Amino acid sequence: AQKITQTQPGMFVQEKEAVTLDCTYDTSDQSYGLFWYKQPSSGEMIFLIYQGSYDEQNATEGRYSLNFQKARKSANLVISASQLGDSAMYFCAMREVMIGRQLTFGSGTQLTVLP
Amino acid sequence: DAGITQSPRYKITETGRQVTLMCHQTWSHSYMFWYRQDLGHGLRLIYYSAAADITDKGEVPDGYVVSRSKTENFPLTLESATRSQTSVYFCASSSGTSRLSPRGTDTQYFGPGTRLTVL
Repeated sequence: AQKITQTQPGMFVQEKEAVTLDCTYDTSDQSYGLFWYKQPSSGEMIFLIYQGSYDEQNATEGRYSLNFQKARKSANLVISASQLGDSAMYFCAMREVMIGRQLTFGSGTQLTVLP
Repeated sequence: DAGITQSPRYKITETGRQVTLMCHQTWSHSYMFWYRQDLGHGLRLIYYSAAADITDKGEVPDGYVVSRSKTENFPLTLESATRSQTSVYFCASSSGTSRLSPRGTDTQYFGPGTRLTVL
């Protein structure tokens, strides 16, 4: 079974609107962390936001927030007030404490922001 | 502040040749990682290292060799390149100082990547 599933290969959003990128995960570990990375067309991987499995509040970083629903095993990224520069590939990743510090990535969602 | 660098950024080689991809970080991070990125697969872990002289396999280690004699360097060698190793390779590092728990992020920071083509 896939550990990280991103079901939206591509998404479009109008500039200044909010968008939600889906991520579901599968783990039997009680202790884990969830990450989102952005990969623009230039290719680099940029860390956006982190959520720990014991965090009671949803993580927020500027215009990024993580909608964490533990019972559903989902960790959706919400981008508010989309900007043209948000057009990129977005990856969800998980670290399972029992396994170690390496990350398992989803296949990504290509977001395009329309003017 | 150079951070984490990779060289070369682009490489074309032929089947059967040995290729070494370099990774260098200036943060003195304990942990270093090699991933490959292929369409439809996201990033997959090849090898990682917890400290100098400590390395371990990831999800797709076959055909690759790593070494880590110095904390700041983590080279990845393809001993006999195959076409299936055509990919984008990313090196990453993390401090390893935060607690290994969901409250400690121990964020991985990535290099710019190396695009490798095996003909």
